[in-house]
Amino acid sequence: GAVVSQHPSRVICKSGTSVKIECRSLDFQATTMFWYRQFPKQSLMLMATSNEGSKATYEQGVEKDKFLINHASLTLSTLTVTSAHPEDSSFYICSAMRREVETQYFGPGTRLLVL
Amino acid sequence: QKEVEQDPGPLSVPEGAIVSLNCTYSNSAFQYFMWYRQYSRKGPELLMYTYSSGNKEDGRFTAQVDKSSKYISLFIRDSQPSDSATYLCAMSEGAQKLVFGQGTRLTINP
Repeated sequence: GAVVSQHPSRVICKSGTSVKIECRSLDFQATTMFWYRQFPKQSLMLMATSNEGSKATYEQGVEKDKFLINHASLTLSTLTVTSAHPEDSSFYICSAMRREVETQYFGPGTRLLVL
Repeated sequence: QKEVEQDPGPLSVPEGAIVSLNCTYSNSAFQYFMWYRQYSRKGPELLMYTYSSGNKEDGRFTAQVDKSSKYISLFIRDSQPSDSATYLCAMSEGAQKLVFGQGTRLTINP
């Protein structure tokens, strides 16, 4: 159990367009989901914490108007990168918290390349 | 000083060796300790999860937490080439926001 999926796994887009990434917990309900960003050979940087039915909490330095997060159900959270620029190119990873064991399970990640 | 310190390596050992990975931390409020394995271009996979101090064993993997020293370890016995990956330690106060180490790149040579 504890499977988290992400879609798409890879996306290439033009500068100025918006990209939506979906994160789903497949076999458990996740009241809390997290969005991370990871640059090559670096650790994960938390961008925001998303609770079902409420607004996301963003980490310092993360623009909430640029990275829109929606957590509409207990199994789905979405991250939309609005007006993407080349500097937004990165590996975006979501995680879902399984309440019974109070730990996070990660999705496979989405590689975003903005041209 | 970072909240969690982890030697990024790279660490290279021969197949069959015992691997020791560790992290130190400064926040005494951390209660939950985890080790994740991350293969290249993939999301992290939870390997071990420990609450508070003590040891935990799962197959070839053993996790140790020493809260008095603020030091956690992951041991891999009979290491295999498939264990080659980046290993990330992570910890939290209340099982919400995780603080990650930098990750150690490990290579097991056949």
